Amino acid sequence: SQQGEEDPQALSIQEGENATMNCSYKTSINNLQWYRQNSGRGLVHLILIRSNEREKHSGRLRVTLDTSKKSSSLLITASRAADTASYFCATDLIPTFGRGTSLIVHP
Amino acid sequence: DAGVIQSPRHEVTEMGQEVTLRCKPISGHNSLFWYRQTMMRGLELLIYFNNNVPIDDSGMPEDRFSAKMPNASFSTLKIQPSEPRDSAVYFCASSLVSGGAEQFFGPGTRLTVL
Repeated sequence: SQQGEEDPQALSIQEGENATMNCSYKTSINNLQWYRQNSGRGLVHLILIRSNEREKHSGRLRVTLDTSKKSSSLLITASRAADTASYFCATDLIPTFGRGTSLIVHP
Repeated sequence: DAGVIQSPRHEVTEMGQEVTLRCKPISGHNSLFWYRQTMMRGLELLIYFNNNVPIDDSGMPEDRFSAKMPNASFSTLKIQPSEPRDSAVYFCASSLVSGGAEQFFGPGTRLTVL
């Protein structure tokens, strides 16, 4: 399975702090994506990083990819209460998702 | 574009009844995915289509589940007969192409089987 697995399962921080989530996968990939899910909603695509990229930025998001370790990380800088959501990674080919990281940002 | 449209948004039914969930993908998208989300199992891929053809249905839990895509703008997921353990949120998503393209998710259908 190419399923991504997120870690930690839950993360609770204060507004203004940085939040780091990790994703591990099992097989070779062409790209890896991160998604966000607000409570009761569908997933929303955040960022895609290709296998030949090591780091990518989008606003307050920073994604890294280490293909040798088969892992990726998502960093949200200067978190806000509105960042409270679950975050998922997905690998390509057959995009399956893990259980996600539930992030709570306290105002 | 209105995005991926799913109906109904909520469905409450009794065990043994047939349930049909509907999805309209984004126009021009060639791939469509059905997912099920529960607290216990997380987000599971049930089946996906490329150009209206089912490619991988290995995630379909059992024969009670079936999915069709009669044309590029419509897909159904049917459960017959439904059981309480089928209670979950069912998401439909579409993407321009398969193989790692960004997926656009619908709002989901919350199914409760009593």
